[in-house]
Amino acid sequence: SYELTQPLSVSVALGQTARITCGGNNIGSKNVHWYQQNSGQAPVLVIYRDSNRPSGIPERFSGSNSGNTATLTISRAQAGDEADYYCQVWDSGTWVFGGGTKLTVL
Amino acid sequence: EVQLLESGGGLVQPGGSLRLSCAASGFSFSSYAMSWVRQAPGKGLEWVSTISTSGGTTYYAASVKGRFTISRDNSKSTLYLQMNSLRAEDTAIYYCAKEKEGWFDPWGQGTLVTVST
Repeated sequence: SYELTQPLSVSVALGQTARITCGGNNIGSKNVHWYQQNSGQAPVLVIYRDSNRPSGIPERFSGSNSGNTATLTISRAQAGDEADYYCQVWDSGTWVFGGGTKLTVL
Repeated sequence: EVQLLESGGGLVQPGGSLRLSCAASGFSFSSYAMSWVRQAPGKGLEWVSTISTSGGTTYYAASVKGRFTISRDNSKSTLYLQMNSLRAEDTAIYYCAKEKEGWFDPWGQGTLVTVST
């Protein structure tokens, strides 16, 4: 089965750029989606198909995907961006999530 | 506004059964595949099951295959998850979500299922 690997935690200074990676075998050939989950709340889609933002998601959120790594980039990080982030792909009739990354804004 | 409202969670003994429901509104329910995703306490997200628009095709995670059954009633805009032979490791918040081209958006607020004596 396909596996996605994320760092357990990432820290970023307020106003700086955070990058959260998602590793998988030849993940660049797949569509990667990203979700933000604030404490005690349901996940929210922030990036779909590698780099597309749903309506209502700030331009500060962007995504890229190539080779064996997909990346979620959050520019000008704000305190409200502190949350858990999950990458996800579809693979052969299954929907696969990464283990999640806790983003801390210092 | 798209809304998904889960119900049916609760406390159940190991080996027991439970049926979850997800009432949808604000979109053409019959036009979208629907899914269940769960999250054990303090853990990450785990995809559980997905059903096609007509209900004719279903997909299950290996961890629930043979025990859980996903279904839908398009006339009632409602998604279901029948859970049998429940185990302690099935304890989680269960979210329903609209599925489109491989991603989930939006998600409901979730319903908590606790499997314990």
